[in-house]
Amino acid sequence: EDKVVQSPLSLVVHEGDTVTLNCSYEVTNFRSLLWYKQEKKAPTFLFMLTSSGIEKKSGRLSSILDKKELSSILNITATQTGDSAIYLCAPAGGTSYGKLTFGQGTILTVHP
Amino acid sequence: DAGVTQSPTHLIKTRGQQVTLRCSPKSGHDTVSWYQQALGQGPQFIFQYYEEEERQRGNFPDRFSGHQFPNYSSELNVNALLLGDSALYLCASSFGQPSYEQYFGPGTRLTVT
Repeated sequence: EDKVVQSPLSLVVHEGDTVTLNCSYEVTNFRSLLWYKQEKKAPTFLFMLTSSGIEKKSGRLSSILDKKELSSILNITATQTGDSAIYLCAPAGGTSYGKLTFGQGTILTVHP
Repeated sequence: DAGVTQSPTHLIKTRGQQVTLRCSPKSGHDTVSWYQQALGQGPQFIFQYYEEEERQRGNFPDRFSGHQFPNYSSELNVNALLLGDSALYLCASSFGQPSYEQYFGPGTRLTVT
């Protein structure tokens, strides 16, 4: 059975701090790994990682995939209160049609 | 550019009833996937539709069924509702196959009493 574990489950920081969120996975026929940010309802797409060791960056957010270790990290530098959200990791695998298996998520709270 | 839309926003049903949820994909997308998100959990994959066919299915009973229309919109039907079906139902759209880069709609909150 496919398995995704995110850590920590929750994190409380102050504005300006840097955070690292972890995702470990065991997924049949792994294809790529996606990160989403969920604030109220709809998860918002952040990154899709397919190649190992290549960092993807968007503003203060960056992410990297390690296929050997079956893991990925999401870094957020200089955190802001607007970064408070649930961050979801979702490896894609299964058949060729694309099934995302989500972790439980990391709840990030950024205090002013 | 319209994103993924879902209707209704909220729904309250009684055990044993049937429900239909609707989803319109983002412009240019042709694949629709449905997920169930229970409180405090990540979304769980229900199934994916492409070219009006169910292409992949998660670990959900046959009470969960779906349909995709020629305009790529989709419906999720759940029969014989159970209390445990109470959740946020998310629709995600994407383009082509395989469809990994998926964009989510705002969801339908279903409460079964």
